[in-house]
Amino acid sequence: KQEVTQIPAALSVPEGENLVLNCSFTDSAIYNLQWFRQDPGKGLTSLLLIQSSQREQTSGRLNASLDKSSGRSTLYIAASQPGDSATYLCAVRANQAGTALIFGKGTTLSVSS
Amino acid sequence: DAGVIQSPRHEVTEMGQEVTLRCKPISGHNSLFWYRQTMMRGLELLIYFNNNVPIDDSGMPEDRFSAKMPNASFSTLKIQPSEPRDSAVYFCASSFEVRNTIYFGEGSWLTVV
Repeated sequence: KQEVTQIPAALSVPEGENLVLNCSFTDSAIYNLQWFRQDPGKGLTSLLLIQSSQREQTSGRLNASLDKSSGRSTLYIAASQPGDSATYLCAVRANQAGTALIFGKGTTLSVSS
Repeated sequence: DAGVIQSPRHEVTEMGQEVTLRCKPISGHNSLFWYRQTMMRGLELLIYFNNNVPIDDSGMPEDRFSAKMPNASFSTLKIQPSEPRDSAVYFCASSFEVRNTIYFGEGSWLTVV
């Protein structure tokens, strides 16, 4: 059974720092991996989607990498801002037809000004 | 474009009462997902539909939970009878095909007292 783990559970950094959030998964046979952001009291917003054949995806200050063989993904946030404070969730989709996303529990990021 | 629309946003009900949560997916999306989020367990997939047909309901906790999708633009998740341990945020999400980017609603916050 696929399990997704995110470490650390919480992270506090001062504004301007570059930071890395980690995600690991137990079954490397994935179809794709997706990073989400969740603000308090809100739903999830998709940030980046990496297909299994890709190594990384970039959007603005965000860069997500995927190492399928080792079961790891990282989300790199450059020049962090207070507005980046949120919970970041990683989710993987298995490499079988008709499977849905399996989520990690997330990393709660706090960026202080 | 309107996103995934869920109702009610908040519901407080007494144990034993029936609860019905509603979801309107994004127009044109043919996959619909129901997730439950709690502090202890994170985001758990309850059930998902593809082309209005339930594909995987293995996450539905017990017979008290049922979900329907009578047409492409509407789905319900029903809990009968409700129990305090059902208190959680219930998210509906949709995508075009199961494996593409998934879009979440704002969630229905359920409290059973």
